[in-house]
Amino acid sequence: QAGLTQPPSVSRDLRQTATLTCTGNSNNVGNQGAAWLQQHQGHPPKLLSYRNNNRPSGISERFSASRSGNTASLTITGLQPEDEADYYCSSWDSSLSAWVFGGGTKLTVL
Amino acid sequence: EVQLVESGGGLVQPGGSLRLSCAASGFIFSSNTMNWVRQAPGKGLEWVSFISSGSTTIYYADSVKGRFTISRDNAKNSLYLQMNSLRDEDTAVYYCATNSWDYWGQGTLVTASS
Repeated sequence: QAGLTQPPSVSRDLRQTATLTCTGNSNNVGNQGAAWLQQHQGHPPKLLSYRNNNRPSGISERFSASRSGNTASLTITGLQPEDEADYYCSSWDSSLSAWVFGGGTKLTVL
Repeated sequence: EVQLVESGGGLVQPGGSLRLSCAASGFIFSSNTMNWVRQAPGKGLEWVSFISSGSTTIYYADSVKGRFTISRDNAKNSLYLQMNSLRDEDTAVYYCATNSWDYWGQGTLVTASS
């Protein structure tokens, strides 16, 4: 099952803004939207946003998600050291009847 | 407090079998669709299997179809993954998670190696 496409790594300075992208197709991101997950080393993933820009309670407003066509984006403003982590997007693929994940983006905060 | 606790991982020889369990608490398990997701060492997340709340709808990733079986017991608030004919490439941390990805367990490590 083909996955979603994410850049392997992104680096930004402290207190700057990072935008992570996730590209799929009309059967997944373009139709179902995307969820975004954050994972720190040695920990399970944590949901940041589901169906494009719905934040679970407790998630900072610094994290916002959006979608344009078949590409979903996660924008993190005012980068903090604790934002350094791996970020994954996920979407339900209606043609595959399967969840698909992106390969993950490693965010480095300089 | 919501908790998902996986168990049953371990070292198994290629071709062997393991049964993973996931004990749920703190939410209405019987109303929730559940998934298994795995992560090979140093790699990304890979979806493994999906089961609807009443077990009527089940899906598998192509990589495990025919070898793994997902099931659940709502009376015991438990999710299971029976893994047969294990291969080296099945080595991973296995997580159970709700279908909305809002709750995840801590994971259990499965190592298929001779």
